[in-house]
Amino acid sequence: TQLLEQSPQFLSIQEGENLTVYCNSSSVFSSLQWYRQEPGEGPVLLVTVVTGGEVKKLKRLTFQFGDARKDSSLHITAAQPGDTGLYLCAGALETSGSRLTFGEGTQLTVNP
Amino acid sequence: DTGVSQNPRHKITKRGQNVTFRCDPISEHNRLYWYRQTLGQGPEFLTYFQNEAQLEKSRLLSDRFSAERPKGSFSTLEIQRTEQGDSAMYLCASSPRSATYEQYFGPGTRLTVT
Repeated sequence: TQLLEQSPQFLSIQEGENLTVYCNSSSVFSSLQWYRQEPGEGPVLLVTVVTGGEVKKLKRLTFQFGDARKDSSLHITAAQPGDTGLYLCAGALETSGSRLTFGEGTQLTVNP
Repeated sequence: DTGVSQNPRHKITKRGQNVTFRCDPISEHNRLYWYRQTLGQGPEFLTYFQNEAQLEKSRLLSDRFSAERPKGSFSTLEIQRTEQGDSAMYLCASSPRSATYEQYFGPGTRLTVT
């Protein structure tokens, strides 16, 4: 059983469309991170959220941390082909110090 | 501003051989982490160091795996008597003292055991 469930696992959309990726758990996290990973490379940190209900915006990307700090979402507006990649959510459990627990990822493909 | 670096980027080895990977963290980051990622999965935690002290090891880290960070700077991960199941991407990350949950990853070392 995955501690962090990401959905959808795969997403293929046309340029200009909006999309939302979800990251859910039954556990409480002290912080939650979103990463993007390209093939053959390490994950690149996009954002960190630490406060329940927190919303952060990064250009066309909007990140939200659930009020209970058990879930998060990533919304992309007007997706572009350059947004293509594997999006990973990762969290630090309140009980596990600084080790990160990752979801399985959402593979996003934005077609021109 | 230098990021996390890992060497080698790719390693092909025969089953039963020993391999060693190196990670150089972002300077002044006191915490260093090792993760393993297999195809289609998110990274899985292996171990982490605060300065030179190894503070936590996952149950994934069998007796054949050992990690060191002798002077609190770079780290090495050694796998002895490699098995085909060890084939994976080995990722290193570091985090600053002020934000231990903000982990910055290196490009990884892709290990293939034949």
